[in-house]
Amino acid sequence: GENVEQHPSTLSVQEGDSAVIKCTYSDSASNYFPWYKQELGKGPQLIIDIRSNVGEKKDQRIAVTLNKTAKHFSLHITETQPEDSAVYFCAASGNFGNEKLTFGTGTRLTIIP
Amino acid sequence: KAGVTQTPRYLIKTRGQQVTLSCSPISGHRSVSWYQQTPGQGLQFLFEYFSETQRNKGNFPGRFSGRQFSNSRSEMNVSTLELGDSALYLCASSLAGDRKQFFGPGTRLTVL
Repeated sequence: GENVEQHPSTLSVQEGDSAVIKCTYSDSASNYFPWYKQELGKGPQLIIDIRSNVGEKKDQRIAVTLNKTAKHFSLHITETQPEDSAVYFCAASGNFGNEKLTFGTGTRLTIIP
Repeated sequence: KAGVTQTPRYLIKTRGQQVTLSCSPISGHRSVSWYQQTPGQGLQFLFEYFSETQRNKGNFPGRFSGRQFSNSRSEMNVSTLELGDSALYLCASSLAGDRKQFFGPGTRLTVL
């Protein structure tokens, strides 16, 4: 089955700096890669996603890049703010009919004011 | 539009008991998936339902079961609870044909 590795497990950055979280996946059939943000006491919130026919997607301060050949995808947050502090999860899933999400182990991001 | 709702939010049970958790998806969403979140194992897929049919199942023992009703609401049941079943149980819903899954706040189950 699919295996998703996520690094780093913890990340601290100064407010205003950029943060990058990286994931690798094992199953070449995976074609959908969402990122979730989870705050304390809440469920994961979808913040951005990318499909395998796209190399990069951006939404304001958040961007995701995908390298299908290397099976890598990354989350980039620019101009970080205190409210970006949370746990971030990457995930991967396959084709329609097999859409279960396989999650990475999470990255605890702390923004230092 | 209201988000995914889960009830109850917190639950305390003892070993050997059974429990039923409920999930109401976003209006119009027909697919419901369940995940277990623990500090040790992270987020793990339990099962997915679409139009009252289980479409996918994760690697959990038969004590974990679920169902979906005609209004797309879903329930999951855990029988003969074990201490290791203590976890946050999350429900996610999605539109038919859409890959985006939206999560509820979860039910925190504690087994004593």
